Amino acid sequence: ETGVTQTPRHLVMGMTNKKSLKCEQHLGHNAMYWYKQSAKKPLELMFVYNFKEQTENNSVPSRFSPECPNSSHLFLHLHTLQPEDSALYLCASSQDSGREDTQYFGPGTRLTVL
Amino acid sequence: GQSLEQPSEVTAVEGAIVQINCTYQTSGFYGLSWYQQHDGGAPTFLSYNALDGLEETGRFSSFLSRSDSYGYLLLQELQMKDSASYFCADKLSFGAGTTVTVRA
Repeated sequence: ETGVTQTPRHLVMGMTNKKSLKCEQHLGHNAMYWYKQSAKKPLELMFVYNFKEQTENNSVPSRFSPECPNSSHLFLHLHTLQPEDSALYLCASSQDSGREDTQYFGPGTRLTVL
Repeated sequence: GQSLEQPSEVTAVEGAIVQINCTYQTSGFYGLSWYQQHDGGAPTFLSYNALDGLEETGRFSSFLSRSDSYGYLLLQELQMKDSASYFCADKLSFGAGTTVTVRA
């Protein structure tokens, strides 16, 4: 256990559905991240939040909408996704968003878009 | 842009030594991290090199040469449980990962 939990672990959705991914960290960290992991490709950074403020949006399509109500919780709202969005979505946290801080990852949500 | 290159696969036998190389081209480089990810699991932090040289943590060691934009992760006395993917990273940029398969 890394202290970062994600729900659900698996999600299958149609292209017209709306769903949300949830991430919670129990480490007292101030920074949280969303990554997309596709097979044989590098982890792709999607969003960074530091002290609940979004500090980075890595050119992510608007069909992905993040929400960070507090430093312990992070959501990723999904709507009208495409089949190519099927991937493992990983949440991570670190003490803050300084570049030397170690990130702690959750187990991920395996998303399949039909 | 940021890019980190590492081999896609390595296979070795139990007890052997494996070296996973990582070359990088990143702007504002801070240091090189290594993460391990077992199939179906979360990436977990292994080591971080901010300065040139070798960092040793048990059976795993990591090396960095800033002048060569190069680093490696050395896995010694390989065990079956070391079968996993290993990623090099510069904070928010990751390599594609190296899948290490350990055979009996």
